[in-house]
Amino acid sequence: DAGVTQSPTHLIKTRGQHVTLRCSPISGHKSVSWYQQVLGQGPQFIFQYYEKEERGRGNFPDRFSARQFPNYSSELNVNALLLGDSALYLCASSFRDFTGELFFGEGSRLTVL
Amino acid sequence: GEDVEQSLFLSVREGDSSVINCTYTDSSSTYLYWYKQEPGAGLQLLTYIFSNMDMKQDQRLTVLLNKKDKHLSLRIADTQTGDSAIYFCAESMPGGGADGLTFGKGTHLIIQP
Repeated sequence: DAGVTQSPTHLIKTRGQHVTLRCSPISGHKSVSWYQQVLGQGPQFIFQYYEKEERGRGNFPDRFSARQFPNYSSELNVNALLLGDSALYLCASSFRDFTGELFFGEGSRLTVL
Repeated sequence: GEDVEQSLFLSVREGDSSVINCTYTDSSSTYLYWYKQEPGAGLQLLTYIFSNMDMKQDQRLTVLLNKKDKHLSLRIADTQTGDSAIYFCAESMPGGGADGLTFGKGTHLIIQP
Protein backbone atom coordinates (compact mmCIF):
# COMPACT_ATOMS: atom_id res chain seq x y z
CA ASP A 1 0.00 0.00 0.00
CA ALA A 2 1.26 3.45 -0.89
CA GLY A 3 2.12 5.74 1.98
CA VAL A 4 1.93 9.51 1.96
CA THR A 5 3.66 10.80 -1.15
CA GLN A 6 5.09 14.27 -1.57
CA SER A 7 6.51 16.11 -4.55
CA PRO A 8 8.95 17.44 -5.38
CA THR A 9 11.44 15.81 -3.03
CA HIS A 10 14.00 18.58 -3.42
CA LEU A 11 13.85 22.04 -4.91
CA ILE A 12 15.87 25.21 -4.97
CA LYS A 13 14.31 28.66 -5.26
CA THR A 14 15.53 32.22 -4.94
CA ARG A 15 14.22 34.89 -2.63
CA GLY A 16 10.93 36.41 -3.72
CA GLN A 17 9.84 33.41 -5.77
CA HIS A 18 6.79 31.27 -5.20
CA VAL A 19 6.67 27.53 -4.48
CA THR A 20 3.93 24.89 -4.60
CA LEU A 21 4.37 21.61 -2.74
CA ARG A 22 2.06 18.66 -3.29
CA CYS A 23 0.91 15.82 -1.11
CA SER A 24 -1.15 12.68 -1.69
CA PRO A 25 -2.51 11.09 1.48
CA ILE A 26 -2.85 7.41 2.21
CA SER A 27 -5.91 6.01 0.47
CA GLY A 28 -8.97 6.46 2.67
CA HIS A 29 -7.41 9.23 4.76
CA LYS A 30 -9.44 12.42 4.70
CA SER A 31 -7.21 14.69 6.74
CA VAL A 32 -3.95 16.30 5.67
CA SER A 33 -1.61 18.36 7.83
CA TRP A 34 1.48 20.34 6.88
CA TYR A 35 4.52 20.87 9.08
CA GLN A 36 7.74 22.82 8.59
CA GLN A 37 10.95 21.30 9.97
CA VAL A 38 13.95 23.60 10.06
CA LEU A 39 17.30 21.85 10.37
CA GLY A 40 17.95 20.83 13.95
CA GLN A 41 14.42 21.58 15.11
CA GLY A 42 11.21 19.66 15.59
CA PRO A 43 8.36 19.98 13.11
CA GLN A 44 6.19 23.07 13.46
CA PHE A 45 2.49 22.98 12.60
CA ILE A 46 1.37 25.01 9.58
CA PHE A 47 -2.10 23.79 8.54
CA GLN A 48 -4.59 21.00 8.96
CA TYR A 49 -7.39 20.21 6.50
CA TYR A 50 -10.24 17.77 6.81
CA GLU A 51 -12.82 17.15 4.11
CA LYS A 52 -11.49 20.15 2.18
CA GLU A 53 -11.99 22.55 5.07
CA GLU A 54 -9.23 24.26 7.02
CA ARG A 55 -9.40 22.99 10.60
CA GLY A 56 -6.35 24.63 12.05
CA ARG A 57 -3.56 27.03 11.28
CA GLY A 58 -0.24 27.52 13.02
CA ASN A 59 1.67 30.71 13.62
CA PHE A 60 2.79 31.34 10.05
CA PRO A 61 2.44 34.49 7.93
CA ASP A 62 -0.18 34.90 5.22
CA ARG A 63 2.48 34.10 2.62
CA PHE A 64 1.68 30.49 3.49
CA SER A 65 -1.54 29.05 2.12
CA ALA A 66 -2.91 25.62 1.41
CA ARG A 67 -5.89 23.81 0.04
CA GLN A 68 -7.30 20.31 -0.11
CA PHE A 69 -8.88 18.88 -3.22
CA PRO A 70 -11.94 16.57 -3.59
CA ASN A 71 -9.61 13.56 -3.85
CA TYR A 72 -8.10 14.65 -0.48
CA SER A 73 -4.72 15.54 -1.95
CA SER A 74 -3.31 18.86 -0.88
CA GLU A 75 -1.07 21.71 -1.95
CA LEU A 76 0.99 24.05 0.19
CA ASN A 77 1.84 27.38 -1.39
CA VAL A 78 4.45 29.82 -0.17
CA ASN A 79 4.75 33.27 -1.74
CA ALA A 80 7.58 35.81 -1.61
CA LEU A 81 10.09 33.26 -0.37
CA LEU A 82 12.58 34.28 2.31
CA LEU A 83 15.87 32.63 3.21
CA GLY A 84 14.27 31.53 6.47
CA ASP A 85 11.71 29.45 4.56
CA SER A 86 14.46 26.93 3.79
CA ALA A 87 13.28 23.76 5.51
CA LEU A 88 11.88 20.28 5.13
CA TYR A 89 8.13 20.51 4.55
CA LEU A 90 6.31 17.49 5.85
CA CYS A 91 2.85 16.37 4.91
CA ALA A 92 0.95 13.98 7.14
CA SER A 93 -2.37 12.27 6.67
CA SER A 94 -4.85 10.68 9.03
CA PHE A 95 -8.22 9.00 8.74
CA ARG A 96 -10.01 11.05 11.35
CA ASP A 97 -10.40 14.75 11.90
CA PHE A 98 -7.73 16.05 14.12
CA THR A 99 -5.75 13.27 15.68
CA GLY A 100 -2.12 13.05 16.60
CA GLU A 101 -1.89 9.63 14.95
CA LEU A 102 -0.28 10.99 11.83
CA PHE A 103 1.33 9.22 8.92
CA PHE A 104 4.11 11.36 7.51
CA GLY A 105 5.58 11.54 4.04
CA GLU A 106 9.31 11.86 3.50
CA GLY A 107 9.02 15.58 2.91
CA SER A 108 9.96 18.19 0.35
CA ARG A 109 13.35 19.79 1.00
CA LEU A 110 13.17 23.47 0.03
CA THR A 111 16.32 25.56 -0.25
CA VAL A 112 15.94 29.32 -0.74
CA LEU A 113 19.01 31.14 -2.04
CA GLY B 1 2.32 29.02 26.02
CA GLU B 2 3.22 25.55 24.92
CA ASP B 3 6.76 24.24 25.07
CA VAL B 4 8.19 20.74 24.84
CA GLU B 5 11.75 20.18 26.02
CA GLN B 6 14.06 17.25 25.32
CA SER B 7 17.76 16.64 25.76
CA LEU B 8 19.54 16.71 22.41
CA PHE B 9 21.65 13.55 22.59
CA LEU B 10 21.62 10.16 24.28
CA SER B 11 24.33 7.54 23.82
CA VAL B 12 23.77 3.93 24.89
CA ARG B 13 25.45 0.57 24.36
CA GLU B 14 23.79 -1.96 22.11
CA GLY B 15 21.67 -4.30 24.24
CA ASP B 16 21.17 -1.78 27.05
CA SER B 17 17.95 0.10 27.73
CA SER B 18 17.53 3.65 26.43
CA VAL B 19 15.47 6.18 28.34
CA ILE B 20 14.50 9.35 26.50
CA ASN B 21 12.97 12.11 28.57
CA CYS B 22 10.63 14.97 27.74
CA THR B 23 8.99 17.75 29.70
CA TYR B 24 6.00 19.77 28.60
CA THR B 25 4.42 22.87 30.02
CA ASP B 26 0.75 22.78 29.09
CA SER B 27 -1.28 20.85 31.66
CA SER B 28 -4.28 20.73 29.30
CA SER B 29 -2.47 18.34 26.94
CA THR B 30 -4.77 15.47 26.02
CA TYR B 31 -2.41 13.04 24.31
CA LEU B 32 1.36 12.75 24.30
CA TYR B 33 3.21 11.09 21.45
CA TRP B 34 6.58 9.64 20.57
CA TYR B 35 7.70 9.84 16.97
CA LYS B 36 10.89 8.46 15.39
CA GLN B 37 12.74 10.03 12.47
CA GLU B 38 15.48 8.15 10.64
CA PRO B 39 17.94 10.03 8.40
CA GLY B 40 16.32 11.38 5.25
CA ALA B 41 12.89 10.14 6.23
CA GLY B 42 9.63 11.48 7.56
CA LEU B 43 8.38 10.83 11.05
CA GLN B 44 6.98 7.51 12.21
CA LEU B 45 4.55 7.26 15.11
CA LEU B 46 5.93 4.87 17.73
CA THR B 47 3.39 5.11 20.51
CA TYR B 48 1.19 7.53 22.40
CA ILE B 49 -0.43 7.84 25.80
CA PHE B 50 -3.61 9.51 26.95
CA SER B 51 -3.09 12.09 29.65
CA ASN B 52 -5.10 10.17 32.26
CA MET B 53 -2.78 7.15 32.01
CA ASP B 54 0.46 6.59 33.91
CA MET B 55 2.09 3.93 31.79
CA LYS B 56 1.77 2.17 28.48
CA GLN B 57 3.80 -0.79 27.28
CA ASP B 58 4.12 -1.95 23.69
CA GLN B 59 6.68 -4.71 23.07
CA ARG B 60 10.13 -3.13 23.68
CA LEU B 61 8.65 0.32 24.32
CA THR B 62 7.45 1.61 27.68
CA VAL B 63 5.99 5.07 28.10
CA LEU B 64 5.77 6.63 31.54
CA LEU B 65 3.79 9.78 32.24
CA ASN B 66 4.07 11.88 35.39
CA LYS B 67 1.32 14.42 34.90
CA LYS B 68 2.07 16.24 38.15
CA ASP B 69 5.64 16.98 37.00
CA LYS B 70 4.65 17.20 33.30
CA HIS B 71 7.30 14.60 32.52
CA LEU B 72 7.14 11.94 29.83
CA SER B 73 9.68 9.22 29.15
CA LEU B 74 10.21 6.56 26.52
CA ARG B 75 12.14 3.45 27.47
CA ILE B 76 13.46 1.21 24.71
CA ALA B 77 14.51 -2.20 25.99
CA ASP B 78 17.39 -4.12 24.40
CA THR B 79 18.44 -1.21 22.19
CA GLN B 80 19.57 -2.25 18.71
CA THR B 81 21.50 -0.45 15.99
CA GLY B 82 18.24 -0.04 14.08
CA ASP B 83 16.96 2.13 16.91
CA SER B 84 19.48 4.82 15.98
CA ALA B 85 17.34 7.83 15.04
CA ILE B 86 15.94 11.11 16.32
CA TYR B 87 13.06 10.71 18.77
CA PHE B 88 10.47 13.46 19.09
CA CYS B 89 8.07 13.99 21.93
CA ALA B 90 4.84 15.79 20.95
CA GLU B 91 1.70 16.97 22.68
CA SER B 92 -1.80 17.69 21.45
CA MET B 93 -4.38 20.00 22.93
CA PRO B 94 -8.11 19.53 23.44
CA GLY B 95 -10.46 21.27 21.06
CA GLY B 96 -9.65 19.88 17.70
CA GLY B 97 -7.08 20.66 15.07
CA ALA B 98 -6.61 24.36 15.66
CA ASP B 99 -3.14 23.97 17.13
CA GLY B 100 -1.81 20.77 15.58
CA LEU B 101 0.89 18.86 17.43
CA THR B 102 3.64 20.66 19.34
CA PHE B 103 6.96 18.86 18.97
CA GLY B 104 10.15 19.03 20.95
CA LYS B 105 13.49 19.51 19.19
CA GLY B 106 14.21 15.80 19.26
CA THR B 107 16.71 13.53 20.99
CA HIS B 108 19.42 11.93 18.86
CA LEU B 109 19.83 8.33 20.04
CA ILE B 110 23.36 7.07 19.36
CA ILE B 111 24.08 3.36 19.69
CA GLN B 112 27.56 2.24 20.66
CA PRO B 113 28.58 -1.27 19.58
